[in-house]
Amino acid sequence: KAGVTQTPRYLIKTRGQQVTLSCSPISGHRSVSWYQQTPGQGLQFLFEYFSETQRNKGNFPGRFSGRQFSNSRSEMNVSTLELGDSALYLCASSFRTGGLQETQYFGPGTRLLVL
Amino acid sequence: EDKVVQSPLSLVVHEGDTVTLNCSYEVTNFRSLLWYKQEKKAPTFLFMLTSSGIEKKSGRLSSILDKKELSSILNITATQTGDSAIYLCAVGRGGSGNTGKLIFGQGTTLQVKP
Repeated sequence: KAGVTQTPRYLIKTRGQQVTLSCSPISGHRSVSWYQQTPGQGLQFLFEYFSETQRNKGNFPGRFSGRQFSNSRSEMNVSTLELGDSALYLCASSFRTGGLQETQYFGPGTRLLVL
Repeated sequence: EDKVVQSPLSLVVHEGDTVTLNCSYEVTNFRSLLWYKQEKKAPTFLFMLTSSGIEKKSGRLSSILDKKELSSILNITATQTGDSAIYLCAVGRGGSGNTGKLIFGQGTTLQVKP
């Protein structure tokens, strides 16, 4: 089974721009979670999508948004980029049924650098 | 506030040594504790521990969950240079409002010298 894939792998943007990152979950997985990883804060939860609905959201400003498509692929968008948004963005997928917490499998991440 | 704390933050050992990594947590409605290994980019899943599965083992790696002490340990025996990585501990909470969210510790950076 193919793992979680993320595109692009690397991205350089300037302040004020916006960016869209993509995540394709493991086949059959319906839940996609997004995390931001920085040296200072570690891994922090952004949001989770299940059946095209955002089910949970972390403590990030509204500039961070996402969506999920009918094939479970997910995108996250960051508008009006700030220098502090430079990070590794990881997506994780899980099968998840009935509200149970299932094991999350991570993709390789997108390294975003904001100049 | 939910908290996951790992110790030590970094560790240097020599090949063949045995290491023990610690993870303690303070969360409401605990459901599961997961260990991941992160080498270059993607954290790789190692173990998930829950009330119904408090001990897991795979090769040289093993992990135990102590629900009374709200902690877990990850043991690696006969370490190899390929074990050099950041080891992440994460906790999942129960309840419909907590789905899809793992709370991560800071990680333990393990370096294994030849």
